[in-house]
Amino acid sequence: EPEVTQTPSHQVTQMGQEVILRCVPISNHLYFYWYRQILGQKVEFLVSFYNNEISEKSEIFDDQFSVERPDGSNFTLKIRSTKLEDSAMYFCASSDRFYGYTFGSGTRLTVV
Amino acid sequence: RKEVEQDPGPFNVPEGATVAFNCTYSNSASQSFFWYRQDCRKEPKLLMSVYSSGNEDGRFTAQLNRASQYISLLIRDSKLSDSATYLCVVNIGGTSYGKLTFGQGTILTVHP
Repeated sequence: EPEVTQTPSHQVTQMGQEVILRCVPISNHLYFYWYRQILGQKVEFLVSFYNNEISEKSEIFDDQFSVERPDGSNFTLKIRSTKLEDSAMYFCASSDRFYGYTFGSGTRLTVV
Repeated sequence: RKEVEQDPGPFNVPEGATVAFNCTYSNSASQSFFWYRQDCRKEPKLLMSVYSSGNEDGRFTAQLNRASQYISLLIRDSKLSDSATYLCVVNIGGTSYGKLTFGQGTILTVHP
């Protein structure tokens, strides 16, 4: 079964540092997403991406965040100048028009 | 009012029990509805879509009441492996590639 692959599985970073979370979506999917889940809280939408541009973003997705599809396979989330409150699980997902979402196994980001 | 609201539980039931979860959503324009399952510190996984006519998948039955903006999930003959958090999820746009809005989840523990 096709998978969405995320790396790293766990990242620890110092407050103020930049981090890049990486994802390889399913190869024939066209829509890509980032969600996050702070420990003990609900899964929250951050951003969706289609045709090489952001199609929708939440109010959480401010100037600190950016996404990129640098080549034909990777999809990245960059967080500039991380804050303690950015500590969360970050899930990448991809979908096609017909069969819906597949989520990756997540990157646990810890900001210290 | 929260966009998607669930009773957080926890529900603690013996093996073989029947358990029901409820969910309400605030946006009457919502088009697609799902139940996801999330194991501790793992990604959400689709359990089943929810249709107006109601649908069943083995021991799981989902119902949707659009007039009341209410979704339910019934699990019959609970197994130990059903222990997880059950997430009520709504897609306002109704496409298979639109943004998903998650409830906080209902925790289920099935004990021997």
